[in-house]
Amino acid sequence: AQSVTQLGSHVSVSEGALVLLRCNYSSSVPPYLFWYVQYPNQGLQLLLKYTSAATLVKGINGFEAEFKKSETSFHLTKPSAHMSDAAEYFCAVSDQTENAGNMLTFGGGTRLMVKP
Amino acid sequence: DAEITQSPRHKITETGRQVTLACHQTWNHNNMFWYRQDLGHGLRLIHYSYGVHDTNKGEVSDGYSVSRSNTEDLPLTLESAASSQTSVYFCASSGDWNTEAFFGQGTRLTVV
Repeated sequence: AQSVTQLGSHVSVSEGALVLLRCNYSSSVPPYLFWYVQYPNQGLQLLLKYTSAATLVKGINGFEAEFKKSETSFHLTKPSAHMSDAAEYFCAVSDQTENAGNMLTFGGGTRLMVKP
Repeated sequence: DAEITQSPRHKITETGRQVTLACHQTWNHNNMFWYRQDLGHGLRLIHYSYGVHDTNKGEVSDGYSVSRSNTEDLPLTLESAASSQTSVYFCASSGDWNTEAFFGQGTRLTVV
């Protein structure tokens, strides 16, 4: 069975500071990994995904994440936070098997707050 | 543009009533999913479908059912609503494996 753990349900940073949101996963097969963002009263939007190509993945809005198999981690970073980054962020994993149909297992989410 | 829409956006119902939440996608995706979102739990999978007439139970399927009579729609039914089913419900769809899932805007359901 797969699982995802996001360390820190709330993260607060100052505008311009580094953003680091942590995600660790467990999976019995090579995983696909995703980061989604949710703005208030909206659905989830894909930020980036890892699908066994490059281990450093670049996404939208200046975010990137690095897949580290030895640490079973897929942490999300952004060099400089912007006020518009305030949102809830979800890490998710799915199996690298064709019949998995992209069924996602989500972490509990991390709410990012950006202070002026 | 292709999209995935959920209706209603907000619903208040009474305990014991049957409720159906609609999900419609125009992506022509085979895979469709229903999740519920609760504080501290992230999103948990309720039911999913890999194609017409295919339905499968997810992690938290008790008290819910789905049916897939066409590619575009996957309605979620709460057979007898309970207060524990107060939540925000998200529908999603995806194409072949290795492609992203697209999410609807969500339905906020309150059971009183």
